[in-house]
Amino acid sequence: SQQGEEDPQALSIQEGENATMNCSYKTSINNLQWYRQNSGRGLVHLILIRSNEREKHSGRLRVTLDTSKKSSSLLITASRAADTASYFCATGPDSNYQLIWGAGTKLIIKP
Amino acid sequence: EAQVTQNPRYLITVTGKKLTVTCSQNMNHEYMSWYRQDPGLGLRQIYYSMNVEVTDKGDVPEGYKVSRKEKRNFPLILESPSPNQTSLYFCASRGSRLPYTQYFGPGTRLTVL
Repeated sequence: SQQGEEDPQALSIQEGENATMNCSYKTSINNLQWYRQNSGRGLVHLILIRSNEREKHSGRLRVTLDTSKKSSSLLITASRAADTASYFCATGPDSNYQLIWGAGTKLIIKP
Repeated sequence: EAQVTQNPRYLITVTGKKLTVTCSQNMNHEYMSWYRQDPGLGLRQIYYSMNVEVTDKGDVPEGYKVSRKEKRNFPLILESPSPNQTSLYFCASRGSRLPYTQYFGPGTRLTVL
């Protein structure tokens, strides 16, 4: 079942700018994960933040988590053409030990 | 190299002709899962398996079957494919402990005519 909702659905920015995507969810979580999907390819895990963490960094990625608002944001700094992809958040687990997926944000980086 | 493999990568078939999409992982993961991805609908889970001989329905199981006879393999079976099963399919696996990070296969693009 879909819990996470990414916002915006699509984002187009110039190379070098920062890109911010948001994810909202509905129930309590153990962790929230972000994945990237290049067109037509499998999803690749980017970064994970646990429910007791507020911010996490990995290279040009910065993830924040606000459990009181049930929301997370993914910031990609100094975007590159290669960052063009769809980005999905996954939260969980639910009572069946499943991750719950959002519908994704499609990011286009214009050269 | 740790990976999830799927075959075939592309398949065009006709309505009613049984087909199997194979999935294999080399990470000794207990958990495996099948998803379909359609434009605007995100990832929808078809079936999952918590371990050998243990399978359960996901959100959209109708028209699909799975089996888990070995830990590394989790084939997806379409007994009588229909055009509404035209989609991009992904197999994924993960370990049995939190945080449940998933590893995805490269995808199988299926067209049912």
